[in-house]
Parts: sequence; C-alpha cells; structure tokens
Amino acid sequence: AQKVTQAQTEISVVEKEDVTLDCVYETRDTTYYLFWYKQPPSGELVFLIRRNSFDEQNEISGRYSWNFQKSTSSFNFTITASQVVDSAVYFCALVRSGTYKYIFGTGTRLKVLA
Amino acid sequence: DAGVIQSPRHEVTEMGQEVTLRCKPISGHDYLFWYRQTMMRGLELLIYFNNNVPIDDSGMPEDRFSAKMPNASFSTLKIQPSEPRDSAVYFCASSSMGGRNGYTFGSGTRLTVV
Repeated sequence: AQKVTQAQTEISVVEKEDVTLDCVYETRDTTYYLFWYKQPPSGELVFLIRRNSFDEQNEISGRYSWNFQKSTSSFNFTITASQVVDSAVYFCALVRSGTYKYIFGTGTRLKVLA
Repeated sequence: DAGVIQSPRHEVTEMGQEVTLRCKPISGHDYLFWYRQTMMRGLELLIYFNNNVPIDDSGMPEDRFSAKMPNASFSTLKIQPSEPRDSAVYFCASSSMGGRNGYTFGSGTRLTVV
C-alpha cells in the first residue's frame, strides 16, 4: 500500500526560527517520486520540489532545504529563518512510477508569528 | 503564461441543481487532473486526462459526477444533481510528463451546496 504520513498537524513558530516539517512515506516500489507543495491562505497549491527515489542528495533552495532518507522513508522539509510569508499548509506527496496519481499527506499547517 | 485558470472561483448552489466547473490548462501541457479537497478526506484525485482522453476516472465519487475535455485548452467537471456533501474546493491541475515534474494547480473553485 502507498501512504504518506505528515504527523504534525499544526506548527507555530516565531519569525526567524528554523522549522522542520516531517514526511514519512510507505511504498514497496523501487522507483517513485516525492513532492512538496505549499498551499498559502489564498488557496492555490504551489509546487516546491520533486525528488526521485534514486536521488538521495539533499537540496537547498534559498531558505528551504529538503532531506531525503530512503533508510527511514522520510522526506523532511526545513525552512531556515522562517518568515510570516511562509505561513501556509504544506503537503508532501508520493507518485509511483508508471502512474500519475499523487498520494497526498494530510498536510501540516505552519503558522509563523511576527 | 497565465497559469491554470479555473472558473468560477466561488459557487453557491441549491441542492439538486446542476453545477459546472471550468478549467483552462497551461498551453502545451498534455495532462489535466481534477482534484477535490475537503477537511475530512484531504486532496483526492477525481479524474485525469492525457491528450484530452480520460485515462482514469476511478476517483469520481458517483454517476452524478462527469468530466469532459473537448479540446486541449478546456475541461469541465459537472455535478448533477448536486448534494450538500459535494461542498468542497475543486482544483484543476495540468502538467507535462504526467506530473512527474510537478503539477501546476489552478486557484480552485469553492463549491457550496445548500
């Protein structure tokens, strides 16, 4: 079975704090893709990153970084020096190779307080 | 590019009425997806198209739901008759490469059935 778990329902931090959003996935496939999306208060979902299962390199993009560890089936997302504009719901998703169906986690609501 | 365009942004209708949601994908994207988001069920894939052809409609909840893609630049999701439990945000997304490089989502249509 395919599953994505985001155990943190809601996180609140004060501006400039670092915050890590957890994502744990389950799949028996060897080839798959992992994603993170951001859903700000305006409602649209914004693509942040894609990782395929053969690429375990961590990635950094500005204040955002992602840590992919196949050994623990995790794909965690860290925001460094958080800002109020980072306040949103963040979704982790899994796609099996050969299909186009995203399996979304339930999302983590991040509140960054000024 | 204007992105994925959905209309209307908000729709309030009475139970039993027909509702039509509209989507214009990004030009050149050959995949189009319809998702539904609710608090209870999260993000669910309803149906997706490849080159205007429906590929997988297994997520369509029941026969009251239908979707069409008459050409590469337009798709509709119709609910008839609508019921209060259909109240949700409906997202359209498009992509190339089947979504493995990420989807581009529209802003969504918030449907309320009273």
